[in-house]
Amino acid sequence: DTAVSQTPKYLVTQMGNDKSIKCEQNLGHDTMYWYKQDSKKFLKIMFSYNNKELIINETVPNRFSPKSPDKAHLNLHINSLELGDSAVYFCASSQQGSNQPQHFGDGTRLSIL
Amino acid sequence: EDQVTQSPEALRLQEGESSSLNCSYTVSGLRGLFWYRQDPGKGPEFLFTLYSAGEEKEKERLKATLTKKESFLHITAPKPEDSATYLCAVPNTGSARQLTFGSGTQLTVLP
Repeated sequence: DTAVSQTPKYLVTQMGNDKSIKCEQNLGHDTMYWYKQDSKKFLKIMFSYNNKELIINETVPNRFSPKSPDKAHLNLHINSLELGDSAVYFCASSQQGSNQPQHFGDGTRLSIL
Repeated sequence: EDQVTQSPEALRLQEGESSSLNCSYTVSGLRGLFWYRQDPGKGPEFLFTLYSAGEEKEKERLKATLTKKESFLHITAPKPEDSATYLCAVPNTGSARQLTFGSGTQLTVLP
């Protein structure tokens, strides 16, 4: 009964490829997020999304795009992968409201060759 | 710009040796502060939310406190299973749904 699940757990691919990471939550939350954790373990928000609003962190390249087929899913598409995209990507979800805790998946480790 | 700074970067304790982790923040109008625990290869696991200065929350050997400028995570008589990275985060000034995280404190508790 995993609350927030991501697939795949590991993703190894060549520079220039396009890839997707899937995320699903079964908590009934209405807001989902994508974070990037770099080699120094610093966790940085990329997107937050609910059915009314997509907020994109200004530092995120437009090669990254979130796609939400429904309230329980928020997938991450990445075009033209670059070496600097290597990181661990975390999906999270929460109820609406700034004081609601976010619940995280176990991450997808992306390695660019 | 919102900032969250955690110290120390790493902490090694003997089992039973109590200590505190610090999280200082700079944000306009605090709307809560979150503590998370992250184990290797896992996502952050929610521990506490603190909403206002003076508030305290406890869970087993952990106690979180909040002032107007910082939060402390006190660990009393830690055990090896408390070893993890502890992260704090605050809602962003611009978009409260988005969190700004500190870089974490890596805690190692030796048996």
